[in-house]
Amino acid sequence: GAGVSQSPRYKVAKRGQDVALRCDPISGHVSLFWYQQALGQGPEFLTYFQNEAQLDKSGLPSDRFFAERPEGSVSTLKIQRTQQEDSAVYLCASSLAGGNTIYFGEGSWLTVV
Amino acid sequence: GENVEQHPSTLSVQEGDSAVIKCTYSDSASNYFPWYKQELGKRPQLIIDIRSNVGEKKDQRIAVTLNKTAKHFSLHITETQPEDSAVYFCAASKDQAGTALIFGKGTTLSVSS
Repeated sequence: GAGVSQSPRYKVAKRGQDVALRCDPISGHVSLFWYQQALGQGPEFLTYFQNEAQLDKSGLPSDRFFAERPEGSVSTLKIQRTQQEDSAVYLCASSLAGGNTIYFGEGSWLTVV
Repeated sequence: GENVEQHPSTLSVQEGDSAVIKCTYSDSASNYFPWYKQELGKRPQLIIDIRSNVGEKKDQRIAVTLNKTAKHFSLHITETQPEDSAVYFCAASKDQAGTALIFGKGTTLSVSS
């Protein structure tokens, strides 16, 4: 596709509900990142994939957060038993192999009520 | 790990004035420094970046300077226009594929006509 595509754009979840956020990176981009952006803050790194391999998950805030990219293209970020502090914009970004200019998607806005 | 500090958090200028946003970083191994512009509800978009082999880079009304010794870098916008109003984020990382960007907390720039 022309850019990084994320869905859903907006999600309201009840506390305790599980959610799944999808990212479709730019075609051919090997690297894929997930970031969390709280209101009024900068994006904070969650996890990184190179193809299907999750090489860095040091930013995941708890074991309720899980990400996968089974075929090296589309990625899913799953949050189990959502809590109010999970409310944020979840940004996906991708980049070419060998480069570190990353391109962001529009984000998935999660509100936990 | 890397830590990026950004200031000011808000900046108001008159149309036509210049705006300067400053960032400092902590990891001397970082050598890639991009700047992103984020309009309300939109994705962060790369506006300019600099690598440590140069001290300054310019693109029309936007310039970035880097002082590796002092570990700080700055964004300069000249002849500001109302459409420059947005949140600007600096970031830092090592210049290699797959390295996560660490972001500052952002500067909200308001340009009034």
